[in-house]
Amino acid sequence: EPEVTQTPSHQVTQMGQEVILRCVPISNHLYFYWYRQILGQKVEFLVSFYNNEISEKSEIFDDQFSVERPDGSNFTLKIRSTKLEDSAMYFCASRDSLRSEQYFGPGTRLTVT
Amino acid sequence: LAKTTQPISMDSYEGQEVNITCSHNNIATNDYITWYQQFPSQGPRFIIQGYKTKVTNEVASLFIPADRKSSTLSLPRVSLSDTAVYYCLVGEDNFNKFYFGSGTKLNVKP
Repeated sequence: EPEVTQTPSHQVTQMGQEVILRCVPISNHLYFYWYRQILGQKVEFLVSFYNNEISEKSEIFDDQFSVERPDGSNFTLKIRSTKLEDSAMYFCASRDSLRSEQYFGPGTRLTVT
Repeated sequence: LAKTTQPISMDSYEGQEVNITCSHNNIATNDYITWYQQFPSQGPRFIIQGYKTKVTNEVASLFIPADRKSSTLSLPRVSLSDTAVYYCLVGEDNFNKFYFGSGTKLNVKP
């Protein structure tokens, strides 16, 4: 069964550093999403992406965040200058054009020290 | 987007049917109701989606009354492996924005 993959599984970075989280969505999917989940809290929507453009973004997704589809397979989330409160699990998800079901990746645990 | 309200936690025993109700009083005409399951340290997994009445698949049923202000996820004959957090989402039919509520932590006991 095809699946969404994410790298790295765990990223430790110092406050103020830039990080790039990578995702490989399922190959025939066209809609992509990033979510985050702070430990013990609910899953929070960050951004949705389609046709090389942001479709929707939440209030969390401020100027520190950006997304990109640099090639035909990868989908990335960049945090420009990380803060302690960015420590969370970040999930990528994708779906095809026919169904609303999102397939989530295993997540990247980001720890900002 | 309509806010959802679910019980924080529920306990059940193996073999029982579990019903988790979600309240979404401000649901809009174009909103669909979707349920996801999440195990610790994993991404959420789609369970079922519906717009009205009843939807059934191989793992669950979803009951939506006529006014659509609530929905009930029904898990038949739960097992220990169904211990997880269950989220009710209400999203627009363009499916570009999804908001997870706090979820219901289901604890299945032997």
